[in-house]
Order: sequence, then C-alpha cells, then structure tokens
Amino acid sequence: QSVLTQPPSVSGAPGQRVTISCTGSSSNIGAPYDVHWYYQLPGTAPKLLIYGNTNRPSGVPDRFSGSKSGTSASLAITGLQAEDEADYYCQSYDSSLTGWVFGGGTKVTVL
Amino acid sequence: QVHLVESGGGLVKPGGSLRLSCAASGFTFSDYYMSWIRQPPGKGLEWISYISVSGNVIYYADSVKGRFTVSRDNARSSIYLQMNSLRGEDTAVYYCARMYPSSYYYFDSWGQGTLVTVSS
Repeated sequence: QSVLTQPPSVSGAPGQRVTISCTGSSSNIGAPYDVHWYYQLPGTAPKLLIYGNTNRPSGVPDRFSGSKSGTSASLAITGLQAEDEADYYCQSYDSSLTGWVFGGGTKVTVL
Repeated sequence: QVHLVESGGGLVKPGGSLRLSCAASGFTFSDYYMSWIRQPPGKGLEWISYISVSGNVIYYADSVKGRFTVSRDNARSSIYLQMNSLRGEDTAVYYCARMYPSSYYYFDSWGQGTLVTVSS
C-alpha cells in the first residue's frame, strides 16, 4: 500500500490527452511538500519527468505538464504518442515518516 | 554527464548479507545527498535510505531499519548499502539516486540498478 495513491492504469488514443492523479495527505503533498514525477520504460531505470510540481527538466517535451492542489497532484500528457507508453510515478516527502514516498505507479497505454 | 553505477547484487539465502556499491562520476559527489531506492519485480518504487553529504545524517524506511546500513566515501565518490538479515521481501532491483537540493529534494539521476534475489 503506497502512501501516495495513483490509478493503476490509464489509456488513450494517439493524440489524445490523459491525466494521472496522485493523492496524498496533510503530511506529504498537503504539508505542502512538492510533487515530482518520473517515467520508467520496461527494464530501465526511472527518469525524472517533472520536478517541483510543474517544472520540466531540459529535454522533456512540453506535452508533459504537472499541477498540484491541496493534497493532490496531476500529470497531464497531451498529444499522446506511442513512445509515451511507460509507467509513471509521483513522489513527495512525508514528514510523519521522515522519508520520501512514491505513488504505486500508473501504466499508460496508447491504444 | 552524471553517471551512477550500482554493483554487488546477486542471489543470497534468507538471513544472509550482501553489500551493494554505487560509484558516481560526472559531478562533485561530495556536494550531493544520495539515496537508495528499490523496486520489487513487477512492483513500484520504494525509497529505503538517505545519506547526507557528510554522512552524519541518515534516514531509513521502516521496512529496512535495523537491518540495512548506508555509508559513503566521498574520496571514492561512492555510497554503499550493507544489507543484513535479508528476507524474501527484500528481493528487488536496487537503485542509487542523486538527490537534487530543491523542492524538498527529488531524484534527478539514477543508476541502472542491481538485482538482489533472496531465496533458498
């Protein structure tokens, strides 16, 4: 059971927009600690996708965007492409656990 | 270019021990906090340990507290994870990750991971 809750899967057709939610609590996202997002292709290490709720590292397309409100955050992918098929994880810090926490991960499928 | 390389994984019996290493290059290692994160086969990510720049502040997840010990050698640009009293549920790919000092820290660079299998 992950501290941050994500839907197990989302899917969409090429070109569509999909969103992934990440729900936490008052000791993490609502504290308020920032939310970060990672993506992971099968058999590879995770890579940073969004940091500080809304910021994209260099090289990440602007099709990816993040937002945060209250105890939740969201990742949106617009103009879905085949190469976006991956697992996506949200992450924050939890003061009651004195440690960093991840969501359970969301598998994005491009139909 | 930041480069992190884990090593030391393998097959170990329940109750056994293993020591993982993570060698860093491409950045000033002594300026960065570091963490170990693991991923059981087919499952999600779990942060398990953090070590400060000097090594004097260390945190562990409850799941490994008392069994795992993290350390670092800034002269060798390396961190280590000593894992004792291993259990089946410790079976996972173990990643080391650099922590960027902003936004309450995030993991901006990851190694390729090393697989630890605990089985008799």
